[in-house]
Amino acid sequence: SQELEQSPQSLIVQEGKNLTINCTSSKTLYGLYWYKQKYGEGLIFLMMLQKGGEEKSHEKITAKLDEKKQQSSLHITASQPSHAGIYLCGARVGVSNTGKLIFGQGTTLQVKP
Amino acid sequence: EAGVVQSPRYKIIEKKQPVAFWCNPISGHNTLYWYRQNLGQGPELLIRYENEEAVDDSQLPKDRFSAERLKGVDSTLKIQPAELGDSAVYLCASSLYSGASTGETQYFGPGTRLLVL
Repeated sequence: SQELEQSPQSLIVQEGKNLTINCTSSKTLYGLYWYKQKYGEGLIFLMMLQKGGEEKSHEKITAKLDEKKQQSSLHITASQPSHAGIYLCGARVGVSNTGKLIFGQGTTLQVKP
Repeated sequence: EAGVVQSPRYKIIEKKQPVAFWCNPISGHNTLYWYRQNLGQGPELLIRYENEEAVDDSQLPKDRFSAERLKGVDSTLKIQPAELGDSAVYLCASSLYSGASTGETQYFGPGTRLLVL
């Protein structure tokens, strides 16, 4: 089973609509990263969350970390076609601040104009 | 500032042939990672370097995969011989670990898409 589960696996929204992607861990989170990937390209760093209750925003994208629930959510307000792509959450395993990231399977977002 | 550079971007080979991927990390980054991403999945770590030292290669299939990071900068990942199941995207990432209490961010290259026929 996946250590990081993302939901939904895919999403189609109309331009201008809001949406939320969730990432749930089966283990304690020591750091949660959100990346965006376009087909055939690498991962683009969006945000990093470390502390419970932390919330960060970049343009129309907001991410929150709920440490108790071992969960993070990514919210996009007023979606645009440029938001389309695959969103991946990654989490640090182990107490150390270095080390590998484990990733969810990704959420594919399509935004219809 | 240049990002992580990888080459080639695409590679098609026949099974049992060797293949090599090259990565140039962001200047000054002391930590380098190789990940493999299968279709529809998130990346999975193959090996992590701190400077020249491979500090985590537990997920690297050592019978056919090898990696090196000479002089603690560029890195190469090799597969010999390649198998059909090796078809995937191979991603390189780098980060600067400063020893601070906050975690470092990994920056990814565009990846090499490998198809084994």
